[in-house]
Amino acid sequence: RKEVEQDPGPFNVPEGATVAFNCTYSNSASQSFFWYRQDCRKEPKLLMSVYSSGNEDGRFTAQLNRASQYISLLIRDSKLSDSATYLCVVNNAGKSTFGDGTTLTVKP
Amino acid sequence: DADVTQTPRNRITKTGKRIMLECSQTKGHDRMYWYRQDPGLGLRLIYYSFDVKDINKGEISDGYSVSRQAQAKFSLSLESAIPNQTALYFCATSDPGGGAGRADTQYFGPGTRLTVL
Repeated sequence: RKEVEQDPGPFNVPEGATVAFNCTYSNSASQSFFWYRQDCRKEPKLLMSVYSSGNEDGRFTAQLNRASQYISLLIRDSKLSDSATYLCVVNNAGKSTFGDGTTLTVKP
Repeated sequence: DADVTQTPRNRITKTGKRIMLECSQTKGHDRMYWYRQDPGLGLRLIYYSFDVKDINKGEISDGYSVSRQAQAKFSLSLESAIPNQTALYFCATSDPGGGAGRADTQYFGPGTRLTVL
């Protein structure tokens, strides 16, 4: 079993749709959690950190459930520019483990 | 100027050749990392370094070596390149004290696309 698992998708949604991505992790000692965005074959960039209390940044909401070892990302009112691969990342003692990514395509 | 730079950006080489990929950063971070990414997969950690005197193997270190020449420089070498090392290679830095919501955030270079024939 992979240490970080994501639904690979692809997710194909119309503009304006709400889409949710899920991620599970196996190491209960993991300390920090992130969602990164990666455009085609470019470097990943931080989208947002994830907290147990939940955090929101505009149309994006991330949530962490430590008991279930589950991380989620919700994108509301999808835009064409949201099309990308979203990587779930779990960090323990300075080492980050990446999920394989979930690909989102937003269509007109 | 980019905070994390990688050279070369693209490289085509032949089986058996020694290749060095270089990474430099101006972020002042102590921690640096090398990852590879294969199509459809996430990033896998090759080596990491938490300071100039610290080098650690990652998930897939076989066939690779690294050198941390200074806080700002971290090089990855393929001693004898083989075709299954064809991949996209990323260097990254992080700061464990990066502040609320930023600790352990990884900052990536633009990547090196390596092809081994």
